[in-house]
Amino acid sequence: GAVVSQHPSWVICKSGTSVKIECRSLDFQATTMFWYRQFPKQSLMLMATSNEGSKATYEQGVEKDKFLINHASLTLSTLTVTSAHPEDSSFYICSLTGESSYEQYFGPGTRLTVT
Amino acid sequence: GDSVTQMEGPVTLSEEAFLTINCTYTATGYPSLFWYVQYPGEGLQLLLKATKADDKGSNKGFEATYRKETTSFHLEKGSVQVSDSAVYFCALSRGSGGYNKLIFGAGTRLAVHP
Repeated sequence: GAVVSQHPSWVICKSGTSVKIECRSLDFQATTMFWYRQFPKQSLMLMATSNEGSKATYEQGVEKDKFLINHASLTLSTLTVTSAHPEDSSFYICSLTGESSYEQYFGPGTRLTVT
Repeated sequence: GDSVTQMEGPVTLSEEAFLTINCTYTATGYPSLFWYVQYPGEGLQLLLKATKADDKGSNKGFEATYRKETTSFHLEKGSVQVSDSAVYFCALSRGSGGYNKLIFGAGTRLAVHP
């Protein structure tokens, strides 16, 4: 399967600042990438789906101007949390898949803490 | 809308004990069903899946059967090992392709003691 990395693994930022999270595919051409959010003891909630070179499709209730997603290449997608607030503190997980793939491959996640 | 409910953890077992983690779903039609496992510090990995009713998915000694009549996909293993300690997620999607949206349960943490 694909090897997926996320950077950083843990980040603390001050309220009002922006933070960028990277999701990289190390050995797989990812035509589609997903971003999830996970609260403690809760399930992963899909935030958005992005295809390489296209604008992301956001799930209902997710603010696209707050959570900026860029899928610039087949190996990199970024999630930028703009003007972060304490309620944005969460665990953010990316996954990816490719053409003809029957599986999503997940990154290890990034823990964001906004103070 | 579609949803997945799985038993709350943590589940604590002794090595070689029998494991069952319950999972039920709500969905119209015939979704595909999955179990993912997350080991400490790693990303979720697909453990097994089933794409139609009565299918049995199996991998690494784990198995789950797609039960349409009870809308369930319970995970079982006959003899757990310490290395099975992880968080297990039940999930469904509308199709079998990797590009389909996954809907997850809350996850069940399993701790296996020697």
